[in-house]
Amino acid sequence: EAGVAQSPRYKIIEKRQSVAFWCNPISGHATLYWYQQILGQGPKLLIQFQNNGVVDDSQLPKDRFSAERLKGVDSTLKIQPAKLEDSAVYLCASSKQSNYGYTFGSGTRLTVV
Amino acid sequence: AQSVSQHNHHVILSEAASLELGCNYSYGGTVNLFWYVQYPGQHLQLLLKYFSGDPLVKGIKGFEAEFIKSKFSFNLRKPSVQWSDTAEYFCAVNEDSGYALNFGKGTSLLVTP
Repeated sequence: EAGVAQSPRYKIIEKRQSVAFWCNPISGHATLYWYQQILGQGPKLLIQFQNNGVVDDSQLPKDRFSAERLKGVDSTLKIQPAKLEDSAVYLCASSKQSNYGYTFGSGTRLTVV
Repeated sequence: AQSVSQHNHHVILSEAASLELGCNYSYGGTVNLFWYVQYPGQHLQLLLKYFSGDPLVKGIKGFEAEFIKSKFSFNLRKPSVQWSDTAEYFCAVNEDSGYALNFGKGTSLLVTP
């Protein structure tokens, strides 16, 4: 089966600019996650979707981050405006059920300068 | 607060040495436990998982982990490491009620020839 697709792979922006990341999960996977992985740390959950509904966005900085999964398939994560501390790898993952292991995408490495 | 702790941040071993990476969690209820590996330049991959049953679980590439409920631990082991095991290893936990995975900070393993 095809894996979790993410784009772009790399992005460099200046602070205060906006950026968007795209994720296409494995077909049939109802649950989709966005994680932020700062260098030297483990992934931190930003948001969890079940189909097109939000299950958990408690750690999403909602003043600058937004995410949507309109048709219950692919998803976009947006940052506006970006800060230096947003430099990280943004990982998308999907699973058939929310208590199963995930399949991760390759991630988008964001550098904010 | 619920947390996942990985005791060793950096481990250096010679080839053929035995490996044990510690992982402890602080969750009160039923949990699912995972170990993920991230090889240099690659995405996170599932090594093994524990949901229930035999507390000794075997994963890919000769890795195994033991769930000790009384110690809230899920340590990863391999009897003889290879140079190709050089990677970042992450322990992750979620509650059986379907919440997202909570990751530890990771352990960087370097295996020298």
